[in-house]
Amino acid sequence: QLQLQESGPGLVKPSETLSLSCIVSGGSISSSNYYWGWIRQPPGKGLEWIGTIYYSGSTYYNPSLKSRVTISVDTSKNQFSLKLSSVTAADTAVYYCARHSSGGYYIIDYWGQGSLVTVSS
Amino acid sequence: DIVMTQSPDSLAVSLGERATINCKSSQSVLYNSNNKNYLAWYQQKPGQPPKLLIYWASTRESGVPDRFSGSGSGTDFTLTISSLQAEDVAVYYCQQYYSTSPLTFGPGTRVEIK
Repeated sequence: QLQLQESGPGLVKPSETLSLSCIVSGGSISSSNYYWGWIRQPPGKGLEWIGTIYYSGSTYYNPSLKSRVTISVDTSKNQFSLKLSSVTAADTAVYYCARHSSGGYYIIDYWGQGSLVTVSS
Repeated sequence: DIVMTQSPDSLAVSLGERATINCKSSQSVLYNSNNKNYLAWYQQKPGQPPKLLIYWASTRESGVPDRFSGSGSGTDFTLTISSLQAEDVAVYYCQQYYSTSPLTFGPGTRVEIK
């Protein structure tokens, strides 16, 4: 059974960089069938797609966040990572890592449990 | 961006009754070359990540009860819960994957028991 687990600091100071990793177990991140993504959800609000990566390193970002986002993949560790720079309180959210279903379609069929990141001094 | 809207914002339905949620996209998500609607539905219970229910607008994900069904095409879509159960209390989101610039979700519809 595929599992995704986010890890990283739960508290980040304003203007600093948020860094999260997603460890994938029960499947290979190097599978050519799947893309891997990050989605966030501010407390009590809706879902916002941040970006997606393929095992080859190809990335696709939300234009609204593109200038601040970097998603990378480490196939040797079977994990992928998110960096969001110059954070503000508006970046406080639960951050989910996820898998997009096979076929290159951006359906999200597996989600991590989520990691709450609070931006505060 | 393809903007997704949902209605109603919330609804309260008696156990065993039908719940209907609407989702509208600002442009068509029907891809003409394969005649597929690039529209998914997710269920999110409190404290949990979203769960995929429906994709291609009407294809039920494996393991999803058949009381959940999706319909619609182009810009107008519906998620129907035919006989509401207590465990269906959740927020439901639609998502378009026609365009990845960016992927977008609806604002969610909260379903409660009347």
